[in-house]
Amino acid sequence: QKEVEQNSGPLSVPEGAIASLNCTYSDRGSQSFFWYRQYSGKSPELIMSIYSNGDKEDGRFTAQLNKASQYVSLLIRDSQPSDSATYLCAVNPQTGTASKLTFGTGTRLQVTL
Amino acid sequence: SQTIHQWPATLVQPVGSPLSLECTVEGTSNPNLYWYRQAAGRGLQLLFYSVGIGQISSEVPQNLSASRPQDRQFILSSKKLLLSDSGFYLCACPSGNTIYFGEGSWLTVV
Repeated sequence: QKEVEQNSGPLSVPEGAIASLNCTYSDRGSQSFFWYRQYSGKSPELIMSIYSNGDKEDGRFTAQLNKASQYVSLLIRDSQPSDSATYLCAVNPQTGTASKLTFGTGTRLQVTL
Repeated sequence: SQTIHQWPATLVQPVGSPLSLECTVEGTSNPNLYWYRQAAGRGLQLLFYSVGIGQISSEVPQNLSASRPQDRQFILSSKKLLLSDSGFYLCACPSGNTIYFGEGSWLTVV
């Protein structure tokens, strides 16, 4: 059973702080990794993807991947109230094609004023 | 890029009633299509996927069925709903090596 684990939260951070969201996965052969943001009552939207070990930055978001530790994280700098949402980690065992992603249950982030 | 439409957006159905949720995709041809369910407090569960017209694979045994009558149409159905069928149903389509979701359909079975 391939699993993706996330702390359900809520993770509460003050506005302007860095939010750190973590995810571990069980399939050592996993090749690509994604973070989705899901606002309450809405469908998930893709915000970051990462394929190689190390960091990938996109604006206020940084994805970090460590395949040896089977660990992927998402950092959100200068957190804003609009970042309050549930963040889903997803893992794809293949590259170059969208096979069946495995999703974590998500971490709920609350950014407080 | 493709656009995924789902309807209805919200529905409340009594136990034992039938269900039909529809998904259509624009901007792509012969897409793989997926149905996911997200129950309250739970993660996304893949229900069905389809690689083409009339080709459906079921991931979990359940009270639901799916059909692919046209290239860009994917339908989720049930003959008799159960309370446990309540949830947020999402149609998804791959692009590159990830997937994108439609707006979703909220189903409450009462």
